Amino acid sequence: GAVVSQHPSWVICKSGTSVKIECRSLDFQATTMFWYRQFPKQSLMLMATSNEGSKATYEQGVEKDKFLINHASLTLSTLTVTSAHPEDSSFYICSARNRVLSNEKLFFGSGTQLSVL
Amino acid sequence: SQQGEEDPQALSIQEGENATMNCSYKTSINNLQWYRQNSGRGLVHLILIRSNEREKHSGRLRVTLDTSKKSSSLLITASRAADTASYFCATGEGGYNKLIFGAGTRLAVHP
Repeated sequence: GAVVSQHPSWVICKSGTSVKIECRSLDFQATTMFWYRQFPKQSLMLMATSNEGSKATYEQGVEKDKFLINHASLTLSTLTVTSAHPEDSSFYICSARNRVLSNEKLFFGSGTQLSVL
Repeated sequence: SQQGEEDPQALSIQEGENATMNCSYKTSINNLQWYRQNSGRGLVHLILIRSNEREKHSGRLRVTLDTSKKSSSLLITASRAADTASYFCATGEGGYNKLIFGAGTRLAVHP
């Protein structure tokens, strides 16, 4: 299988606080994970590529100091939204590739809805 | 970054009808994939077509790829209410084969 677990499913926080989102590959090792952001009724926008044991690669326009990504093990990547503001409210989705099954398709977590008050 | 456009943005049909969604992309690709997203959830992989393939089938799904026009289409035959979802095309790019998604088509199938 290729199950990706993402927690929490939703979070409400006050402006100025930091929020951590976890993404775990439950039954496979994921050397690379991807973080996406999605606004209502819009597409997924790639934020960064998370590489185990090294620094994440951020897409143009994504603030690396704002969105901290850590990929400390082969099964866990975390995204921390630092000093969150209302404009950071969005749906965040992680994904991973199971290279044993496929070097191409991605398996997605169920997403995290972040609401910043 | 976003790869390209999907057409139509929204599609409303009756059960039993066919649904066709189109996707255009801008860069050279290794493959093109279609994913489905139920409201407020993660995405599920549907089908993958490689750049040297022109057509592929999977159950009620048929995907075509025209690399000369940089476009693809997804056909869902004999649609069901359970097919109601958003459908996205995505192309793989770069050394990590990261996926860049199209704008998506919101499909509503009415009983």
